[in-house]
Amino acid sequence: SQQGEEDPQALSIQEGENATMNCSYKTSINNLQWYRQNSGRGLVHLILIRSNEREKHSGRLRVTLDTSKKSSSLLITASRAADTASYFCATDAMDSSYKLIFGSGTRLLVRP
Amino acid sequence: GAGVSQSPSNKVTEKGKDVELRCDPISGHTALYWYRQRLGQGLEFLIYFQGNSAPDKSGLPSDRFSAERTGESVSTLTIQRTQQEDSAVYLCASSITPGQGEAFFGQGTRLTVV
Repeated sequence: SQQGEEDPQALSIQEGENATMNCSYKTSINNLQWYRQNSGRGLVHLILIRSNEREKHSGRLRVTLDTSKKSSSLLITASRAADTASYFCATDAMDSSYKLIFGSGTRLLVRP
Repeated sequence: GAGVSQSPSNKVTEKGKDVELRCDPISGHTALYWYRQRLGQGLEFLIYFQGNSAPDKSGLPSDRFSAERTGESVSTLTIQRTQQEDSAVYLCASSITPGQGEAFFGQGTRLTVV
């Protein structure tokens, strides 16, 4: 079953613009992670935010977490064509031995 | 090894045949996950191994699917009597300590049932 749902399903922006993706989840979590996937194969970890954190930065990435709303957002600033990929959030629910459950993903297209 | 290794990279099989997919996790990683990803879709959780605990098989879609893991090393995912609906990319991931850090993914096995 899907724990997270991402919004929007697809996003198309111009290079240099910012991209914002949202993730909602259902149960209490230990942490939330964001991953990137190119070409439908292996995923690469981007950033992890713990349930007691509200915001985290890594380079051009900014992640926020609102546990009261059970939602997170990923902001990519000054996007580049190379950022074109699918982005997934993943949560490890506190009541399930920390198994990682992924959302449905956002397909981002950055037009040069 | 340096990363999570999956084999084969691609597998084409006839409907009704059994297939076995292999995952070599990163050495020392106690947690191992299998996911299925259909074209253009998200990752569907299949099964989760954590150390010596009983595996969480809650995501396996039918009794045709099974998986084993030997200690904290290799895992195999077996699909019996394959159906066309089983066509997907099967992804394996491992992590050193669940709930503490990132999961590392293999490149997946693309299974095509014809």
